[in-house]
Amino acid sequence: RKEVEQDPGPFNVPEGATVAFNCTYSNSASQSFFWYRQDCRKEPKLLMSVYSSGNEDGRFTAQLNRASQYISLLIRDSKLSDSATYLCVVNIGSNDMRFGAGTRLTVKP
Amino acid sequence: NAGVTQTPKFRILKIGQSMTLQCTQDMNHNYMYWYRQDPGMGLKLIYYSVGAGITDKGEVPNGYNVSRSTTEDFPLRLELAAPSQTSVYFCASSYPGTYQPQHFGDGTRLSIL
Repeated sequence: RKEVEQDPGPFNVPEGATVAFNCTYSNSASQSFFWYRQDCRKEPKLLMSVYSSGNEDGRFTAQLNRASQYISLLIRDSKLSDSATYLCVVNIGSNDMRFGAGTRLTVKP
Repeated sequence: NAGVTQTPKFRILKIGQSMTLQCTQDMNHNYMYWYRQDPGMGLKLIYYSVGAGITDKGEVPNGYNVSRSTTEDFPLRLELAAPSQTSVYFCASSYPGTYQPQHFGDGTRLSIL
């Protein structure tokens, strides 16, 4: 079983749609969780951290379920500029980050 | 503010050659990391360092070496390049702490032929 698993997609959605990505992780001792965004042939950039109580940043909402070892990202009112690959990242301890392979999103006009 | 700077951006090596990928950061971060990303795959940690003089292996260290003589610099060395090391290499840095984000350089694209 992979340490961090994501649906690779691609997700193709129209502008204005709501889209949700899921991620599962295998290490129950994982300490912290993140969503990163990676544009084609570019470096990953932090989108948001994921806290136990769930958190929101504008159109983006992240949820964490430690019991099920599951993380989600919800994007509302999708924009063309949201097209990217979204990486689920899990800190398994001592800043040792494990990355999912990513979920590709394309937002179409 | 430059952030994390990697050089070179692109390189083609022949099998058996050696090279050093350079990484420097100007954010005074204690922690630095080297990752590789193969097509369609997630990033895999090669080596990391929690401070000058301290390095440790990640998931995929074989075929690589690192050193950390200063806070700013964290070079990655390939001693005997193999085709399996064809990849995109990213350097990152962060402050210590479980919720500290990692800041990435823009990568080195390495092909070994």
